[in-house]
Formats: sequence, C-alpha cells, structure tokens
Amino acid sequence: AQTVTQSQPEMSVQEAETVTLSCTYDTSESDYYLFWYKQPPSRQMILVIRQEAYKQQNATENRFSVNFQKAAKSFSLKISDSQLGDAAMYFCAYRIDTGTASKLTFGTGTRLQVTL
Amino acid sequence: GAVVSQHPSRVICKSGTSVKIECRSLDFQATTMFWYRQFPKKSLMLMATSNEGSKATYEQGVEKDKFLINHASLTLSTLTVTSAHPEDSSFYICSARGATYTDTQYFGPGTRLTVL
Repeated sequence: AQTVTQSQPEMSVQEAETVTLSCTYDTSESDYYLFWYKQPPSRQMILVIRQEAYKQQNATENRFSVNFQKAAKSFSLKISDSQLGDAAMYFCAYRIDTGTASKLTFGTGTRLQVTL
Repeated sequence: GAVVSQHPSRVICKSGTSVKIECRSLDFQATTMFWYRQFPKKSLMLMATSNEGSKATYEQGVEKDKFLINHASLTLSTLTVTSAHPEDSSFYICSARGATYTDTQYFGPGTRLTVL
C-alpha cells in the first residue's frame, strides 16, 4: 500500500520569510501525481500545487514551489514571502491513476503558523 | 477552480436518527465523488468512492449499511448516516472529479455532524 509521511507536525515561519514543508512517500509505481493541499481554519481543502511524476521540472505556483526528488521519493513544498493567510494545515497527497480506482492518499499534515 | 458545495454545513441530531448530507458539483459534471471523514487535528480518511450510476466502493472498515452513498446524477451525491450514534460525530468532506481520472479533485467545504 502507498503511504505518505509528513514528519513535521508543526512548523512556524515569520512573515515574509521562507519555509519548507517535508513530505516523503512510498510507492512501487512509476507514474503518479503528487499534491499539496491547504486546509485553513474554515476547513475548506484548497489545492496549492500538483506535480506529475513523469515531469522532471519542479512545479511552481507563484510563491509556492516544490522540490521533487523522484529517486528519493521526496516532495517538499517551499513557501516564499510567507503571508499571514498562509497559516493552515498542509497535506501532502499521492495519487496513482488506475482509472476509476484512482484516489488520493493523504499524509498526516503539517500545521503552519505564520508570525509577525 | 471548480466549485463543490455541501449541505448542510453543520447538523446536530439525536442518537438513533438518520442524517443525509448532500454534495453537489456546481459547474462541472462529477463522474466520481469521494467521501472523507476527518477527526479533529487528523488527516482525511477516505470512506468511499462513488461513480455516477454505480454502487459505491467502500474502504476497508467502513460499514456500507451505516454510511449509505447514492450518486444518482453527475452533479449530486448523498451520504446518509443511518442510526447515528455519538461516535459518528465528525467532520465529513466530499470531493468531486470530472470525467477524466487525471482530473483534479475539488473539495466541498465539509459538514460537521454532532450526534447527541
């Protein structure tokens, strides 16, 4: 079974600084997708960024970027110029695509605090 | 991104009663919908996957007779918690995906169920 591990239960960053959230996963598949989702206090899950495993280039979305190391099965999220609105739970997720059986496997989450 | 709604956002019921939660995709056709349960400060646990017009596929350990899922149309799925008990109190989140299984999953805002 695929597993996703987030080893940092909590992280803190000062406003305007940069923070990196870690994620590792275990799989025997070669084709898959990786995601970072954000869950603010409202509990609404928001997609932050996604990475296709067949792409070597790291995905970037404005202040959010990933460091995808396929051989190491590592998928970290870097948040630059942190803002107060970035405070949330962040979940790393993995998905293989096997047709209708395709589903997300989530990590345990990292709570990010942003301080002034 | 696409919008998924859930109703109600919050429900309180007495032990032994049944509660129905609706999940709607507002601006796309959701071939597949997912139902998750989230305990406080925990990750999302997939309960079941439903494809429009088919019976839901339940994850191991989830009682299909207790958590009835119906996905009768491409925009609506319902989760009915039958004979609810206090241990069923939780946050329930639905998610929807379009016709292509590589599509992004979009999440609803969740429903907080409290069983007295």
